[in-house]
Amino acid sequence: QVQLQQSGPGLVKPSQTLSLSCVISGDSVSSSSAAWTWIRQSPSRGLEWLGKTYYRSKWYSDSAESVKSRISFNVDTSKNQVFLHLSSVTPDDTATYYCARQPSGWVVYFDHWGQGTLVTVSS
Amino acid sequence: EVVLTQSPATLSLSPGDRATLSCRASQRVSSSLAWYQHRPGQAPRLLIYGASTRATGIPDRFSGSGSGTEFTLTISSLQSEDFALYYCQQYNDWPTFGQGTKVEIK
Repeated sequence: QVQLQQSGPGLVKPSQTLSLSCVISGDSVSSSSAAWTWIRQSPSRGLEWLGKTYYRSKWYSDSAESVKSRISFNVDTSKNQVFLHLSSVTPDDTATYYCARQPSGWVVYFDHWGQGTLVTVSS
Repeated sequence: EVVLTQSPATLSLSPGDRATLSCRASQRVSSSLAWYQHRPGQAPRLLIYGASTRATGIPDRFSGSGSGTEFTLTISSLQSEDFALYYCQQYNDWPTFGQGTKVEIK
């Protein structure tokens, strides 16, 4: 049973970096088939795919054009977790952030999701 | 970017009713479409992928159909736990989501 447990601050100041963690159980962050994805949801943007990181002999990542210059991912294989970092945040980045598993590199849907983390960007 | 338009925005039905939710794509996405259920305070749940394949553990009252630009999610007989938000998502291109249909108790 795959489970994703998210954690991170609920409040971030404008211009700072938003960082969230997602601990994976029931699968490996270094899976040769899955990808670990971040998606956010806000009233203004709806559900928005942000990007993913995955391991295929080495680590790769892809990200949405809307956040490409500000987003990064890293992993801690010893703790089986992935991290999202979104820099230079503005109030427009206020959203509920989800980590999710894309089960296969060939089909980009999401079969397991974290519980979500509401992040508010405000001074 | 592929824009997905879901209709109706809200569906008011009674337990036992049949629910029909629509999702229209701005361009052809083949059968690369998924449906999710989202209950407040819970993680979204994958229902359908490949337009018509039920995900693991999903009851057979949920069914998906369509291809190209027109897709439908049908819930044959609504149970109390089915009153929730439903989203479609395409993955023929960079993934995008519809804005959702709320299925509420009439």
